Amino acid sequence: EAQVTQNPRYLITVTGKKLTVTCSQNMNHEYMSWYRQDPGLGLRQIYYSMNVEVTDKGDVPEGYKVSRKEKRNFPLILESPSPNQTSLYFCASSVSGTSGRANEQFFGPGTRLTVL
Amino acid sequence: AQSVSQHNHHVILSEAASLELGCNYSYGGTVNLFWYVQYPGQHLQLLLKYFSGDPLVKGIKGFEAEFIKSKFSFNLRKPSVQWSDTAEYFCAVNSYSGGYQKVTFGTGTKLQVIP
Repeated sequence: EAQVTQNPRYLITVTGKKLTVTCSQNMNHEYMSWYRQDPGLGLRQIYYSMNVEVTDKGDVPEGYKVSRKEKRNFPLILESPSPNQTSLYFCASSVSGTSGRANEQFFGPGTRLTVL
Repeated sequence: AQSVSQHNHHVILSEAASLELGCNYSYGGTVNLFWYVQYPGQHLQLLLKYFSGDPLVKGIKGFEAEFIKSKFSFNLRKPSVQWSDTAEYFCAVNSYSGGYQKVTFGTGTKLQVIP
C-alpha cells in the first residue's frame, strides 16, 4: 500500500530534550516536506527536500533540522525543543517536476508534539 | 513572494445548501493549484487539482473548482453539501522554477454542515 508513515504519532517532551520525528514513504517520490499545523495559521512549511542530499528551508525553519540521506526517509530533528514548537506536524511526499502527476502531495498521519 | 488567501475562516451551512469557498493566490509565474480536505482527526487528502487545460476541474465527492487566471482565484464549489462534508479545506499553490518546487498553503476554511 502506498503510504507515508510518521513516528511517533504522539510525543510529550520537555524543553531542551533533543528529539527526532521520522518520516518514510514507499512511493519512490523525489520531493518530501515537513509542515506544522497550528490553529488559524494553516499549514506552514518547515523544510523540504527535492531529492537525496538536497534540502532547503521553508517558511518557518528556525529550531528545526532535517536530513535526506535516503530517498525514502526524511527525519525532522528538534535539537532543543521549546514550548512554541508544540504543534501538529505533517510529513508529505510527491513526485517532483511539471508532469500532470507532479506535486500532488501525499500526507502522513501526523505527529502531535507537546513541549512542556 | 508566493501567497495564498482563504477569506472564509469558518462556514456553517445546512445540508443541501450550496458551497463556495474562496481562494486567491499571488505569484507571477505558472502555478499548479490544489484543494485538500482534512476530516476531523485525519491527515490531508487531495480533493482536486488544476495543472492546465480546462479551468473547471472536477474532484472527488462532487466538488469542483474553477481557475480564473485574471482574478488569481481558484474557488471551490459544491452544489449540495452533506453532513459528511464537515471538514477543514485548504487551498494550495505550487510553483516549479529552476528545479525547485515551492508549495504554499492557505490558512484553511472550517466547514460545518448542520443536518
